[in-house]
Amino acid sequence: GQNIDQPTEMTATEGAIVQINCTYQTSGFNGLFWYQQHAGEAPTFLSYNVLDGLEEKGRFSSFLSRSKGYSYLLLKELQMKDSASYLCAVVDSNYQLIWGAGTKLIIKP
Amino acid sequence: GAVVSQHPSWVICKSGTSVKIECRSLDFQATTMFWYRQFPKQSLMLMATSNEGSKATYEQGVEKDKFLINHASLTLSTLTVTSAHPEDSSFYICSVGISDNEQFFGPGTRLTVL
Repeated sequence: GQNIDQPTEMTATEGAIVQINCTYQTSGFNGLFWYQQHAGEAPTFLSYNVLDGLEEKGRFSSFLSRSKGYSYLLLKELQMKDSASYLCAVVDSNYQLIWGAGTKLIIKP
Repeated sequence: GAVVSQHPSWVICKSGTSVKIECRSLDFQATTMFWYRQFPKQSLMLMATSNEGSKATYEQGVEKDKFLINHASLTLSTLTVTSAHPEDSSFYICSVGISDNEQFFGPGTRLTVL
């Protein structure tokens, strides 16, 4: 079957760095998305990785290793507004989205 | 959690035809379902919130007469794109609302209008 695993919840301190991991087992791979979702709002696109390596975009970076079926989202200089759910989604060989259940990130002062 | 399916996965149609997309909650009775559309590498855009047994609530700018939503049961919501045109080509994704803070997403339906 197809499976995406990410931690259910993480807690971090304002100003710190946090890494949210995502491991996947899917039938084929055509890219991986990271989304941020605040409660009651639509998911916001953060990143799309299709090749191995690290992509940096401001305070957020995303890493992919296709051979390991692994990705992480790295958030630096955490701010209170970063408290949200972070969703990992993989595009499979049929170009369908396989969603992780999301990681709820709690930022403490 | 909730397992969400969508049918069809892919649909290609001629301009002017109508297309129905089904969203099913397989293991959860969903009073609320959401319909999104996504363009490549962009955020999901919420189109409407579907409530079982009542009319859907559409987001500003979404034509309710063009995107018909029916949520007739706790496990099924349908989105019908009426008189589809090439600009309606997109990835349509539904989700099931578990709580105020939690949604489970379907695999999406890729619509291509020729």
